[in-house]
Amino acid sequence: DQQVKQNSPSLSVQEGRISILNCDYTNSMFDYFLWYKKYPAEGPTFLISISSIKDKNEDGRFTVFLNKSAKHLSLHIVPSQPGDSAVYFCAASARDDKIIFGKGTRLHILP
Amino acid sequence: GAGVSQSPSNKVTEKGKDVELRCDPISGHTALYWYRQSLGQGLEFLIYFQGNSAPDKSGLPSDRFSAERTGGSVSTLTIQRTQQEDSAVYLCASSLEIRQGPYNEQFFGPGTRLTVL
Repeated sequence: DQQVKQNSPSLSVQEGRISILNCDYTNSMFDYFLWYKKYPAEGPTFLISISSIKDKNEDGRFTVFLNKSAKHLSLHIVPSQPGDSAVYFCAASARDDKIIFGKGTRLHILP
Repeated sequence: GAGVSQSPSNKVTEKGKDVELRCDPISGHTALYWYRQSLGQGLEFLIYFQGNSAPDKSGLPSDRFSAERTGGSVSTLTIQRTQQEDSAVYLCASSLEIRQGPYNEQFFGPGTRLTVL
């Protein structure tokens, strides 16, 4: 039973355009959400997070949007750069509990 | 070192053998997690340790898997009688604590790639 779902295994975006990565969750107790980025042969690195009391959090080129009623969050990267090519994991947790990760979306930034 | 380290980086073993994977977390981090990533799969939670509390073992797939954390620092994940389906990248992460917010950002090690022949 997947509590965090990333339904797109891969996504290709032209350099300079906006990349939108989507994530859905099923557990209504989740109230903290994170995005991690992973390059090959490296561990994931934290990118950005959002608490359920917010609907948007922005950090430079990265913005995470949270729609609690739809149990949906998305990560926007604008403008997309070649170095953004990586696997992106969506993750969520309920208060003071372990983080649950999705299966990831591989983002390819095309020149 | 400044980050989470794991050893070995690669491990090839024969089916039925036992393996031990090691994780050195960031100094001062009280929470330590083990995940595995099988081919085409996401990060599957295995176990976490938080300070002196009993570990959460709810993600361990079978009783062949066990983990210890000695002295609140180094952790060892042991897989007994390895099977081919155990082949995966095993990732360790640590965080200051498990409480939500900036303190629970997880820092991952590079992983150990386990191949069971």
